[in-house]
Amino acid sequence: DAKTTQPTSMDCAEGRAANLPCNHSTISGNEYVYWYRQIHSQGPQYIIHGLKNNETNEMASLIITEDRKSSTLILPHATLRDTAVYYCIVRYVQGAQKLVFGQGTRLTINP
Amino acid sequence: GAGVSQSPSNKVTEKGKDVELRCDPISGHTALYWYRQSLGQGLEFLIYFQGNSAPDKSGLPSDRFSAERTGGSVSTLTIQRTQQEDSAVYLCASSLDGRAYNQPQHFGDGTRLSIL
Repeated sequence: DAKTTQPTSMDCAEGRAANLPCNHSTISGNEYVYWYRQIHSQGPQYIIHGLKNNETNEMASLIITEDRKSSTLILPHATLRDTAVYYCIVRYVQGAQKLVFGQGTRLTINP
Repeated sequence: GAGVSQSPSNKVTEKGKDVELRCDPISGHTALYWYRQSLGQGLEFLIYFQGNSAPDKSGLPSDRFSAERTGGSVSTLTIQRTQQEDSAVYLCASSLDGRAYNQPQHFGDGTRLSIL
């Protein structure tokens, strides 16, 4: 079972920053936090991952709290094309090969 | 560069028939994974290949399901004697090295399998 907790759904206005939270209170020291998203009828798309430092790439920023028990994915200027289900995944050390997907957060970007 | 390619994109078959689903990973990726997503359900892990061997087959739901990978590249997922509950989207992913925790998996768009 996934070891993360995310809100079921969120709304955000187009052009605003979308902040998606994730709780992973049982994370271990060498487990990574990964974020993926899935747009309807497509495969999951990798967004970003991190261990303990904040990370930024061309798609998003990942903020991980100092105790590593939670994180936030930030889409800085959301567009309608960012409407998708967003998955926060902790990649286990044991059985690290498989990703365990929970239900994710359904993010709707409104015009 | 080219991403993970899966074929066919859609497959409709009758109950009891065998089906083969194909995955072409990203060039140079040594790890390959199969998942499936049933209607309204989350993604479910099926099997993981590192090179041509499969260290983790724990997600295969029954002995009707098998997969192989040859030449460290293309993989085929075979479902024998298909049942209606096999209807799902079958997704393939690849990564540079499955033994590295910090290597992301990249997914194809899947094969939508419908069993009549």
